[in-house]
Formats: sequence, structure tokens, C-alpha cells
Amino acid sequence: GQNIDQPTEMTATEGAIVQINCTYQTSGFNGLFWYQQHAGEAPTFLSYNVLDGLEEKGRFSSFLSRSKGYSYLLLKELQMKDSASYLCAVRDSNYQLIWGAGTKLIIKP
Amino acid sequence: DTAVSQTPKYLVTQMGNDKSIKCEQNLGHDTMYWYKQDSKKFLKIMFSYNNKELIINETVPNRFSPKSPDKAHLNLHINSLELGDSAVYFCASSSLEGELKKLFFGSGTQLSVL
Repeated sequence: GQNIDQPTEMTATEGAIVQINCTYQTSGFNGLFWYQQHAGEAPTFLSYNVLDGLEEKGRFSSFLSRSKGYSYLLLKELQMKDSASYLCAVRDSNYQLIWGAGTKLIIKP
Repeated sequence: DTAVSQTPKYLVTQMGNDKSIKCEQNLGHDTMYWYKQDSKKFLKIMFSYNNKELIINETVPNRFSPKSPDKAHLNLHINSLELGDSAVYFCASSSLEGELKKLFFGSGTQLSVL
């Protein structure tokens, strides 16, 4: 079966750095997405990786290793507004998105 | 200005009723989707639809049916609602162009079946 694993919940301090990991087992691979979802709101696109390596976008970076079936989302200079769930999703060989359950990130002052 | 809009935001209803959720996108996208997000926060695809093809997740009961009057709209009809249908339903759209095809989501409809 297809599976996306990410930690259920993480806690970090304002101003610090946090890394959210995602491991996947899917039938084929056509890209990996990270979405941010604030409580009671819709998911919004953060990043996309299809080749190995690091994609940097401001305070957020996303890394991919296809051989290891692994990605992480790195958030720097954490702000209170970063408190949200972070969803990892992989597009399989049929171009269907397989979603993880999300990691709830709690930022403390 | 809203890219993907869905109504209503909240829907509370009795078991056995029939209800609809409307979705509209003004992004000119080719493909629209319905997702269900359960209490464990997993997003599960229910339907994807462009003007040529409807793809149905085989696990979705046939009480659920998408209706697309035109390219910009994909409504969700639910017949004979059951308690287990309680969840948040998200409409989304994406473009067929390019490799990225990121999803734009509506704000969600929280359905509570009593």
C-alpha cells in the first residue's frame, strides 16, 4: 500500500528552527508537496520538490531524497503565525496525490 | 477576489437528509476536486473532474455525486446522509498546464450529521 509518515505533533520556540520530516512509500513518484493548514482553514501551498536537494523559499526550505523516500520541511526564525499543521503529499505514478495526516506545529513564546 | 469559493461554510443536518455543497473557481483551471478531511486530519480524494473525465475514488459511496454545470463549478451532492459523513469537505482546483499543478483549496465546509 501507499503510505506517508510524519510526526503527529511538534513544539518549538519562537525565533528557533524546526525540521519536520516526512517519509513515503508510494507506487511511483512524481513530486512531493508541502502544504500549510491553519486551524479551521484550507491548506495552502508551500513548496514542491521533484529532484533531490534543497529548495529554499524565504524562511522555509524543503529537502528531498528520492532514494531514501524522505523529505523535510525546515522552518527558520519561527514566528507565532507559523503555528499550523504541515501536510506532506506525494504524487504517485498515476499523478494522484497521497497525503500524510499532517504535523501539528506548536510555537511557544 | 476569492480564487476557490465554496458554500456553505457550516452545514448541520439530520441523518437521512439530502444536501449539496457548492464550489466555484475563478482561476480558469481545468481540473476540480473534492476532498474529505476526517477527524484524524487525513485528506482523502473523493473526485477529480475536468471537462473530459471524472475520476471517482472507488471507496466513495455512491450516495456522493459530483455535478459540474460548467468548467468553473463542481458541486457535491450527498444523498441519505449518515453519521459517518461528518467531516470537513474541501473543494480544490488545479491547472493541467505545467508540471507543478499545485492545488488551490476552498475554505472548507464543515458538515455535521446529527
